Amino acid sequence: SQQGEEDPQALSIQEGENATMNCSYKTSINNLQWYRQNSGRGLVHLILIRSNEREKHSGRLRVTLDTSKKSSSLLITASRAADTASYFCANLGGNTGKLIFGQGTTLQVKP
Amino acid sequence: DAGVTQSPTHLIKTRGQQVTLRCSPKSGHDTVSWYQQALGQGPQFIFQYYEEEERQRGNFPDRFSGHQFPNYSSELNVNALLLGDSALYLCASSLGRGAFFGQGTRLTVV
Repeated sequence: SQQGEEDPQALSIQEGENATMNCSYKTSINNLQWYRQNSGRGLVHLILIRSNEREKHSGRLRVTLDTSKKSSSLLITASRAADTASYFCANLGGNTGKLIFGQGTTLQVKP
Repeated sequence: DAGVTQSPTHLIKTRGQQVTLRCSPKSGHDTVSWYQQALGQGPQFIFQYYEEEERQRGNFPDRFSGHQFPNYSSELNVNALLLGDSALYLCASSLGRGAFFGQGTRLTVV
């Protein structure tokens, strides 16, 4: 399977704490994207990092990419209860246009 | 801009039946991809349509077929439904970088 892995599978933190999720992938990539999914609904695009970038910020989100280790991490700072959701990384490899998703991390932020 | 819209939102079918799911892409997007997401799993790529042709296909049997219309909207058809086809089916549209997803169709096969 080309599908990557994410860890942890589940994460529970208190509001205000930081949450870090990690993702590993197997194929070469053009870019890596992170998505959020609330309660089995549609996926919301959070942030995209290109293969030649190492770090990217967007608001309270910070994404890093290590192509030598084929891994990425998503950091959510100062978490809020509304951040409770499942988070997926997805890599876009080559010219396929196909997104390969990880298994996801379920984040629970307790108020 | 309505974003990506999918219909219906929920559907219950019996084993052996056929189902058609529909997707309207975000305005200006010409590429539509379909994904299957089983409970507790990440989405799995089914196929992608561009210029009314299937451009890429994932590891899904021929029971899964699709179509793209001149207005870029798309349909996903599944024949001879199995219990294992129960899942959330997601449509994504794109124009270059990034993909925008619809809210999905929850299919339950009984």
